[in-house]
Amino acid sequence: DAGVIQSPRHEVTEMGQEVTLRCKPISGHDYLFWYRQTMMRGLELLIYFNNNVPIDDSGMPEDRFSAKMPNASFSTLKIQPSEPRDSAVYFCASSLAGGQRKLFFGSGTQLSVL
Amino acid sequence: SQQGEEDPQALSIQEGENATMNCSYKTSINNLQWYRQNSGRGLVHLILIRSNEREKHSGRLRVTLDTSKKSSSLLITASRAADTASYFCATATSNTGKLIFGQGTTLQVKP
Repeated sequence: DAGVIQSPRHEVTEMGQEVTLRCKPISGHDYLFWYRQTMMRGLELLIYFNNNVPIDDSGMPEDRFSAKMPNASFSTLKIQPSEPRDSAVYFCASSLAGGQRKLFFGSGTQLSVL
Repeated sequence: SQQGEEDPQALSIQEGENATMNCSYKTSINNLQWYRQNSGRGLVHLILIRSNEREKHSGRLRVTLDTSKKSSSLLITASRAADTASYFCATATSNTGKLIFGQGTTLQVKP
């Protein structure tokens, strides 16, 4: 089992550019989560999907952020246009259905917006 | 919004000592989980305790849950240098699978 795979591992971009982060969940998992981690705000849940359908996007900071899950094995988080305050580590996690779920996290994408 | 608050924010101990971290939360929960994060890595699940459980053990880990006080503690016994990491509690308020994380406790175990 390869675990949750995220790409790229590091992303450095300039303000105003579009950024796309990618995630491949563990095969068979039907929940997928996007989190953002910063020193100031800790781990924030941005959005999560169940069976490829967005369930709760209340954590998405603003319209510049969008997330998609076109199939069970792939999800993207897009920021357009990017701003310096978006600099953070973005984590993807997946889990199985059921009442008691534990999350499996990817290694994260370190995003720096200059 | 943050559901859990952890205490202390940072903890430094000697190898072989026990480490205790506390987590408080605000609303009723379905379960509470503890995760570990090594520097530069993703979070790794350690242990889950259900709302109707009071204590749970896993190896050198002991977790307690007091729903009347809305608090939990994680005890790591006989700590090792490899236990150096950040530890987070996370609460699930329903069966939706949504987990809200606390700010974490940074543990340093000195050899």
